[in-house]
Amino acid sequence: QSVLTQPPSVSAAPGQKVTISCSGSSSNIGNNYISWYQHLPGTAPKLLIYDNNKRPSGIPDRFSGSKSGTSATLGITGLQTGDEADYYCGTWDSSLSAGVFGTGTKVTVL
Amino acid sequence: QVQLVESGGGVVQPGRSLRLSCAASGFTFRSYAMHWVRQAPGKGLEWVAIISYDGTKKYYADSVKGRFTFSRDNSKNTLFLQMNSLRADDTAVYYCAKEMLRYSYGSSFDFWGQGTLVTVAS
Repeated sequence: QSVLTQPPSVSAAPGQKVTISCSGSSSNIGNNYISWYQHLPGTAPKLLIYDNNKRPSGIPDRFSGSKSGTSATLGITGLQTGDEADYYCGTWDSSLSAGVFGTGTKVTVL
Repeated sequence: QVQLVESGGGVVQPGRSLRLSCAASGFTFRSYAMHWVRQAPGKGLEWVAIISYDGTKKYYADSVKGRFTFSRDNSKNTLFLQMNSLRADDTAVYYCAKEMLRYSYGSSFDFWGQGTLVTVAS
């Protein structure tokens, strides 16, 4: 049972923007950095955002992250067919002493 | 370049044991905490366990606590996940993942392996 809650799916047309929310609590998002991962079935997950809003090298600026209180948001602009994947938020939960992931969101490009 | 290669997956009967390995290369292995993450069929990512850079600290998800043991051999750049008393709900692809920051844990996973499939079935 995931500690972080995400919408099951979001969709938009090519070129449009989608946002994915991630809701947690003070023991996880509220007091730790959030990360976002892109996962295509059968492949290794890829880090998109770390430390709430930073992008690793090679990740285009179409991907952005933000955090406010116990919630975080991933934004994807200029949506492309290659962005169709599952997206997960993740962080550390200080009360559980455990890593936690969101429930996952499937992005569909219409 | 960083490479993480898991091995040891397969089909195992409920109640039996299995040991997974993860061979690491392309970075200073002994300086980084490492994780196991799994994904059951049709489900999302589930964090399994972490081991500190020096192997002295380990934390586990409640779902595997007392059954799984995470260890590392820094002389061989290899991780091990000993899985005992396996259950059907342990069926998943198991990924090893590297902590982003040196000598720390709880940040991000910047590199992941391709995963190894564990199927628990009679």
